[in-house]
Amino acid sequence: DAGITQSPRHKVTETGTPVTLRCHQTENHRYMYWYRQDPGHGLRLIHYSYGVKDTDKGEVSDGYSVSRSKTEDFLLTLESATSSQTSVYFCAIRADRGSSDIQYFGAGTRLSVL
Amino acid sequence: EDQVTQSPEALRLQEGESSSLNCSYTVSGLRGLFWYRQDPGKGPEFLFTLYSAGEEKEKERLKATLTKKESFLHITAPKPEDSATYLCAVRDSNFGNEKLTFGTGTRLTIIP
Repeated sequence: DAGITQSPRHKVTETGTPVTLRCHQTENHRYMYWYRQDPGHGLRLIHYSYGVKDTDKGEVSDGYSVSRSKTEDFLLTLESATSSQTSVYFCAIRADRGSSDIQYFGAGTRLSVL
Repeated sequence: EDQVTQSPEALRLQEGESSSLNCSYTVSGLRGLFWYRQDPGKGPEFLFTLYSAGEEKEKERLKATLTKKESFLHITAPKPEDSATYLCAVRDSNFGNEKLTFGTGTRLTIIP
């Protein structure tokens, strides 16, 4: 599982409330990613990080913010959750082995916004 | 804009019945094509990465091939445990691009 732990695994929340999802890795990988997965869409990149305090936007970043204060933790925050953010969220790391581009994924967080 | 199209959307096979899944892609320059397997309720599991046309990779009953426009995942004599959704993704070679563009997957069911 590439040493990735996502928490919580399931969450139900109400529209307008803030939500933070956590991704924790144990292998000191530099790159970390947040994706969302929805029916009819492929996995889509929300934000990614290339080091402590270094982050950038992906293709569906509106309504989301991220933070990375330690190498091992990458947090995804929904400042004010909306029903359109109901989804399954996956964290990934990129293996730092030579020129490897391989991303390895966590088990996911299923978020329902009511 | 990068695009990935997978076909068929769903495929049902008898155990032992070989077949192929298709991944067609459009990308300005291919840095890598990736195949993942995803079981229900779990995260994608890495299978293969291919970098250049003509390249092939094998793992047990699976073989991935790559051309300039598409990739195939060949499944030989599948077993029920091969049932899963198979995802294809590409990364283009634009400098600084970290995004993987995923297809919507092929849901494979192997019937005993």
